[in-house]
Amino acid sequence: ETGVTQTPRHLVMGMTNKKSLKCEQHLGHNAMYWYKQSAKKPLELMFVYNFKEQTENNSVPSRFSPECPNSSHLFLHLHTLQPEDSALYLCASSQEQRAATYEQYFGPGTRLTVT
Amino acid sequence: AQSVTQLGSHVSVSEGALVLLRCNYSSSVPPYLFWYVQYPNQGLQLLLKYTSAATLVKGINGFEAEFKKSETSFHLTKPSAHMSDAAEYFCAVSDLGRDDKIIFGKGTRLHILP
Repeated sequence: ETGVTQTPRHLVMGMTNKKSLKCEQHLGHNAMYWYKQSAKKPLELMFVYNFKEQTENNSVPSRFSPECPNSSHLFLHLHTLQPEDSALYLCASSQEQRAATYEQYFGPGTRLTVT
Repeated sequence: AQSVTQLGSHVSVSEGALVLLRCNYSSSVPPYLFWYVQYPNQGLQLLLKYTSAATLVKGINGFEAEFKKSETSFHLTKPSAHMSDAAEYFCAVSDLGRDDKIIFGKGTRLHILP
């Protein structure tokens, strides 16, 4: 595997379920990001981790809980979601957390549907 | 705070015709500017970026963009469209004061007509 991978690619969950999204990067990068992509809205940055430390929480509701056990893996734990949380969730990584200097590499995303 | 505006959520061009995707930015300090492309069922990929060097920036796949400070614009162009260019294109901005965050536009979907 090369680049940034995300699993699952598609997820349907009820509002009372608990699920997790997984992201893995094989690029040796130190910064990882979670973005939310909704229809007709700009890409929204959710969380940033730099050297496994969370450095950004962009006012994300607590029903989204990130975890970064090491520089290669990033999880997004989901619980009691709302239908408006349905979106494409993109993971990205970069050499360091200087997004303008270091290119961000994106995974293909997880298409989440909350029923 | 910095922001970007992409004019036109959908643009259609004929194969072989000029591609022009418009982006205007707002930033209180000299910006870094980016264009990303997203092909169907894929994540975003960097096409090109402006970092205060040459105002005409060349990217991958024959795309280029010109930074015009007087017009606060960073439009993306390609002389001759190819069917494989059909995708969604995102303009983004980050200011030199805090280059740890990129602000994305809403995107423009490019359709190529045969």
